[in-house]
Amino acid sequence: QVQLVESGGGVVQPGRSLRLSCAASGFTFSRSGMHWVRQAPGKGLEWLAFIAYDGTNKKYAESAKGRFTISRDNSKNTLDVQMNSLTTDDTAVYYCARVKSGTYWGIDYWGQGTRVTVSS
Amino acid sequence: DIQMTQSPSSLSASVGDRVTITCRASQGIANYLAWFQQKPGKAPKSLIYAASSLQSGVPPRFSGSESGTEFTLTISNLQPEDSATYYCQQYNDFPLTFGGGTKVEIK
Repeated sequence: QVQLVESGGGVVQPGRSLRLSCAASGFTFSRSGMHWVRQAPGKGLEWLAFIAYDGTNKKYAESAKGRFTISRDNSKNTLDVQMNSLTTDDTAVYYCARVKSGTYWGIDYWGQGTRVTVSS
Repeated sequence: DIQMTQSPSSLSASVGDRVTITCRASQGIANYLAWFQQKPGKAPKSLIYAASSLQSGVPPRFSGSESGTEFTLTISNLQPEDSATYYCQQYNDFPLTFGGGTKVEIK
């Protein structure tokens, strides 16, 4: 079955960096586009970034542009997001999500999320 | 950016009721509309894609429809386990955008 397991969350000081990872299994990772989505405490869902199945196409939300970098390693079945210059507004649960085949960018599976707290 | 306006923000209904949630897009998105269910402390779960297609394993009491830029999620025969927050999302264009959510409470 499809499994997406995020890791790398934790408490980080403002201005610092953090790298989140998503380990994928149960499907052919190298054929699937992937997203990162986050949810601040008590708030709704916010799409952050997309990467195509082969890594050649990347898209970012305005809030992530210039600070976050999405990447993938199809040999290891992992998806990453490098987050720099973190602020308290980046405090959230971060989810990776799989693009459903045939939907361009639609989502079918989500990971369980990893919590990031930006605090001094 | 495409704005997704979801209503109502919350509702309360009884077991067995029929519940309708609406999402309006600020511009045309064809049928590139998804619905997600999220329970407290849990990851979202995908319910519907392409406005009206059920994801695998989703009970048939969930259904979706579209009329122009207005999209509807209907839960027929509401069950206790349907208590959750529901989000719509457009994936017609980047940035992908979500509606504000609808919290469904069981009376």
